[in-house]
Amino acid sequence: DGGITQSPKYLFRKEGQNVTLSCEQNLNHDAMYWYRQDPGQGLRLIYYSQIVNDFQKGDIAEGYSVSREKKESFPLTVTSAQKNPTAFYLCASSMDYGTGDGYTFGSGTRLTVV
Amino acid sequence: AQSVAQPEDQVNVAEGNPLTVKCTYSVSGNPYLFWYVQYPNRGLQFLLKYITGDNLVKGSYGFEAEFNKSQTSFHLKKPSALVSDSALYFCAVSISGGYQKVTFGTGTKLQVIP
Repeated sequence: DGGITQSPKYLFRKEGQNVTLSCEQNLNHDAMYWYRQDPGQGLRLIYYSQIVNDFQKGDIAEGYSVSREKKESFPLTVTSAQKNPTAFYLCASSMDYGTGDGYTFGSGTRLTVV
Repeated sequence: AQSVAQPEDQVNVAEGNPLTVKCTYSVSGNPYLFWYVQYPNRGLQFLLKYITGDNLVKGSYGFEAEFNKSQTSFHLKKPSALVSDSALYFCAVSISGGYQKVTFGTGTKLQVIP
């Protein structure tokens, strides 16, 4: 079945550590996205990528970094510069960026700072 | 700037009764409108979308939504609620024409009471 796989499902980070969240899709979608979900705040866009080797900052990119070396993969690194990283992180993809296609979401990674 | 509002944090409805989850939007241009559902600790699932055409859009699991341009609304409806419909529902908006980002609402928790 086609879909998006996020791993790990749960991740614990110590203060000052960088951690990387994995996102892989086999839908042959060009566009991929990372969102952060906090209670009562909906989804906020961290980074997005319209095509391989290209990505753009979203609304809350500070303290995060991404890469898009392969069409299927869009990993997110939460750096030590992100002061409040505890949240639920969602990866999504769509056929094209912003053309009215619905998004396909992964099951999410819950990151907790310990 | 585009925005979407979901005025109710929570909606309670008895099983078998009709349900409505409200959404209003603000865009400069013609909107693309979406509804997604999220079950606990899972990613969002696409329910339905409005791009153009018929104002009444039918989607998955018996849900439908009505696009009302004059009221800038896109309310989600279902004629008869099921306990299994209990979840978090998100409305989202983008703009037609070229590459435009998607903005999500803050979500409405639907509780269907047996």
